[in-house]
Amino acid sequence: QVQLVESGGGVVQPGRSLRLSCAASGFTFSNYALHWVRQAPGKGLEWVAVVLYDGINKYYADSVKGRFTISRDTSENTLYLQMDSLRPEDTAVYYCARDNWFDYWGQGTLVTVSS
Amino acid sequence: DIQMTQSPSSLSASVGDRVTITCRASQGITNDLGWYQQKPGKAPKRLIYAASSLQSGVPSRFSGSGSGTEFTLTISSLQPEDFATYYCLQHKSYPRTFGQGTKVEIK
Repeated sequence: QVQLVESGGGVVQPGRSLRLSCAASGFTFSNYALHWVRQAPGKGLEWVAVVLYDGINKYYADSVKGRFTISRDTSENTLYLQMDSLRPEDTAVYYCARDNWFDYWGQGTLVTVSS
Repeated sequence: DIQMTQSPSSLSASVGDRVTITCRASQGITNDLGWYQQKPGKAPKRLIYAASSLQSGVPSRFSGSGSGTEFTLTISSLQPEDFATYYCLQHKSYPRTFGQGTKVEIK
């Protein structure tokens, strides 16, 4: 069955970096675009970024453009989100989701940006 | 960017009630819209895709309609397990954009 498992969250100081991972299984990884979506505490869902199936084409929300980098490793069936210059407003649960109308989601990983 | 305006932001309803949630897109998105249910502490779950196609395994009391700029999620007879927050999401272009969410609470 399809599974997406995020990891890498934690507490980090403002201005520092963190890398999230999303391990995928149960489907042909290279056939799908993959997204990151986040949810700040008590708030709604915010789309963050996508990497298309080719690993080359990528799109970002304005709120993270220039600070976050999405990538994928087909040999490891893993999606990444490199987050640099973190801000307190980046505090959120981060979900990865498979394209195809966001049919599968991971369980989420919490990132807290605080001094 | 396409803006999605979802209403209401919250509603109170009783078991058995018919519930309707609306999303309006700032420009036409044909039928490129999905609806998602989220319960506290859980990941969102897809209910509807392509505006009106029911996800396999989702009860038939859920239905979606609309095209262009106006979309509706209807729950025909609210059940206890349906109390949750619902989001629309446009799949027409990047950046993808969610509606603000509708929290369905028990009256």
